[in-house]
Amino acid sequence: VQLLESGGGLVQPGGSLRLSCAASGIKFTSHAMSWVRQAPGKGLEWVSGMNGSGDRTYYADSVKGRFTISRDSSKNTLYLQMTSLRAEDTAVYYCAKRRQENSGPLDYWGQGTLVTVSS
Amino acid sequence: DIQMTQSPSTLSASVGDRVTITCRASQSISSWLAWYQQRPGKAPNLLIYEASSLESGVPSRFSGSGSGTEFTLTISSLQPDDFATYYCQQYNNYPLTFGPGTKVDIK
Repeated sequence: VQLLESGGGLVQPGGSLRLSCAASGIKFTSHAMSWVRQAPGKGLEWVSGMNGSGDRTYYADSVKGRFTISRDSSKNTLYLQMTSLRAEDTAVYYCAKRRQENSGPLDYWGQGTLVTVSS
Repeated sequence: DIQMTQSPSTLSASVGDRVTITCRASQSISSWLAWYQQRPGKAPNLLIYEASSLESGVPSRFSGSGSGTEFTLTISSLQPDDFATYYCQQYNNYPLTFGPGTKVDIK
């Protein structure tokens, strides 16, 4: 299993960014996926998730209405569309796989991609 | 949302020490608890799932126990590789939530 995030970078407050997570060695339909972030020097914060069927999405209150999780099963890629970005969204963003279709621990993680929101 | 707390926040220990970290949930999560280890600059790594099941490839010096609202992670004999930050996480329901972390450093 490999998860490879990309798309991070420097963006101004109020701007948008789309993160990608290219997955190999797994079937999206069999596993829920999540995005987890970590602000510099801080702990882990779950951001968003999608079940294996792709028909349920979940968000932390801190990003609800601003972030959208989606996937392209033909490309085995998970996305996180981030809009109305704020300084407090600055973090390393990890994608992670859950063990089951919509349950289980986060058993594989990508290496992360850094998002910096600053003017 | 289920709140997770951990104690202590920092723990100073020596190689060979037995170390115990406690995690508490704000409501019952049955055994739907995981422990992760994170080294600086690296992604978290799953150690324990379902409160007490050892993830494949993880050394047997790591063990977990508990159910309901109180859980512990024990390292039976601390090794140099184990100096890291440890997080508990509940996966009973969304939103998934993590504890604030316990940093284990060298005494």
